[in-house]
Amino acid sequence: KAGVTQTPRYLIKTRGQQVTLSCSPISGHRSVSWYQQTPGQGLQFLFEYFSETQRNKGNFPGRFSGRQFSNSRSEMNVSTLELGDSALYLCASSPQAGGLNYGYTFGSGTRLTVV
Amino acid sequence: SQQGEEDPQALSIQEGENATMNCSYKTSINNLQWYRQNSGRGLVHLILIRSNEREKHSGRLRVTLDTSKKSSSLLITASRAADTASYFCATDQGSNYQLIWGAGTKLIIKP
Repeated sequence: KAGVTQTPRYLIKTRGQQVTLSCSPISGHRSVSWYQQTPGQGLQFLFEYFSETQRNKGNFPGRFSGRQFSNSRSEMNVSTLELGDSALYLCASSPQAGGLNYGYTFGSGTRLTVV
Repeated sequence: SQQGEEDPQALSIQEGENATMNCSYKTSINNLQWYRQNSGRGLVHLILIRSNEREKHSGRLRVTLDTSKKSSSLLITASRAADTASYFCATDQGSNYQLIWGAGTKLIIKP
């Protein structure tokens, strides 16, 4: 079966712009989580959606937002981009909230570079 | 803040040798998961071990869990060049449906 699909794979944006990243989970998975990964901060949890509801949110500013659609596809949006937002953004899906019991299946990520 | 702490931060061994990396955590957990990440790619789920389990195997991987010491180890036997990756542990604290991740161990297998 198809894995977790993230688009686009690479993105270059200018400071002040906004960006939208997309994630299609594995069919049947209702939980989608987003992570930011940087060399300095490691893997940082952004938020999780389960059945269109945000279940959890990490410690990120309000410029970072997300949503989940009825087909479980999810998008995350970052407004007013800063240089520090340059990172690999990873999406992960799971049958249950929080990756409990089954673990997460990750996508290949979107590499965002802010210039 | 991250609950899991992997040790060592980096490990370099010869192909064919065994690699052991450790994960410590601070609070009670329901389960602990290990993931592998090849350079710049997504993470791959390796093993999930529940708090009432002490050891689990998957191919060349062996995971142990010691809840009294709040620690886990991942052993990769007969390492191969393809095992070169970063390895992360993640713990499930239970009530808030959120995994807590360690900083990872970077494993390099030399040919």
